[in-house]
Amino acid sequence: GAGVSQSPRYKVAKRGQDVALRCDPISGHVSLFWYQQALGQGPEFLTYFQNEAQLDKSGLPSDRFFAERPEGSVSTLKIQRTQQEDSAVYLCASSPRDRLLSPPPKTQYFGPGTRLLVL
Amino acid sequence: GESVGLHLPTLSVQEGDNSIINCAYSNSASDYFIWYKQESGKGPQFIIDIRSNMDKRQGQRVTVLLNKTVKHLSLQIAATQPGDSAVYFCAENIAGSGGSNYKLTFGKGTLLTVNP
Repeated sequence: GAGVSQSPRYKVAKRGQDVALRCDPISGHVSLFWYQQALGQGPEFLTYFQNEAQLDKSGLPSDRFFAERPEGSVSTLKIQRTQQEDSAVYLCASSPRDRLLSPPPKTQYFGPGTRLLVL
Repeated sequence: GESVGLHLPTLSVQEGDNSIINCAYSNSASDYFIWYKQESGKGPQFIIDIRSNMDKRQGQRVTVLLNKTVKHLSLQIAATQPGDSAVYFCAENIAGSGGSNYKLTFGKGTLLTVNP
């Protein structure tokens, strides 16, 4: 069965370049999450979607970061004018549950991530 | 051997030994905890979880212990195998926080290396 997929798996960008990272969640999953994982660190929450609604974007580090999920399935994380500090692995996770149902958040299924290197 | 996730991020054990990975969590309001395993080039994979009304939970070859008094979590892996080599993260959550109960806060992680 298909899990969460992300593309590209690797991206090298020159400083100042715009990038777009794609996430294909598990079909039918209501919730979608983006995380940023710096080298040697744990994932850090960026943003959360319930269907097409972005309910929480409190973790986005700056207004250069923008995420969307227009049809409630595929999501794109866009980073404008990339900086070296944006270099990290960007993880996407999806869940069949919406935020109002009882957790557990263990039902977040992670994709393999996109490794972004900004030179 | 033991490893504190934030200060001693590596643990090396022999195949067949038991492993103990520790984690100090930060938020006294957290009431739900998860251990994840992350292999190189992959996303985190759920191992086991525990709620704050428990102090111990067992799975297949894994046990999680929770000490709320000192805000400490540990993962015990029995008969460690080479396939257990990975980075292990603890994550905390405030499950009863209503609309924001989806948020996970991850620790830094511990690299477990199993020597054959």
